[in-house]
Amino acid sequence: DAGVTQSPTHLIKTRGQHVTLRCSPISGHKSVSWYQQVLGQGPQFIFQYYEKEERGRGNFPDRFSARQFPNYSSELNVNALLLGDSALYLCASSLRTGDTDTQYFGPGTRLTVL
Amino acid sequence: GQNIDQPTEMTATEGAIVQINCTYQTSGFNGLFWYQQHAGEAPTFLSYNVLDGLEEKGRFSSFLSRSKGYSYLLLKELQMKDSASYLCAVRGVGSGNTGKLIFGQGTTLQVKP
Repeated sequence: DAGVTQSPTHLIKTRGQHVTLRCSPISGHKSVSWYQQVLGQGPQFIFQYYEKEERGRGNFPDRFSARQFPNYSSELNVNALLLGDSALYLCASSLRTGDTDTQYFGPGTRLTVL
Repeated sequence: GQNIDQPTEMTATEGAIVQINCTYQTSGFNGLFWYQQHAGEAPTFLSYNVLDGLEEKGRFSSFLSRSKGYSYLLLKELQMKDSASYLCAVRGVGSGNTGKLIFGQGTTLQVKP
């Protein structure tokens, strides 16, 4: 079975631009979470979506937004890019949002902001 | 507040045993995860502990003490391919938080021949 997939693999943008990152969860998984991982640090939680609704939000500015589609895939949008947004963006999927669910990560999108 | 602490770096020899510690201070507890992350790749799930004690899975074992806010990952019979970053994460508590994993900074393990 295919794991979590993300696109694109790499992306280079300039300050002030907008970016859209995409994620397809493992088949049968209905929840998607987004994380930002800066080099040398652990991932930081941005959003969780379940059944197309936002179920959790991390401490990120309003420039970050996301949505989930009827097929459970998801997009992360970042507006007005800053140099500090350069990071690996990870998507993780899980069956649901319950206390026993394990999150499985995709390969990530490496975003570089110049 | 929530805080997860792990050593930044560790070095061990091929064939040896290494223990990677993780301490956490969180408001409530809802499970602890260990992930392995090779450079430039996605984190891969290793283990999950929600009750006190040791969980063994092949060469890898994970231990949890909720009263001490402490966990460790034990890697036996180290192989060169075990060189990676090991991430400790706790699950958020309460409505809107169960899908949130709070990660430590990761421990970079280097296995030497």
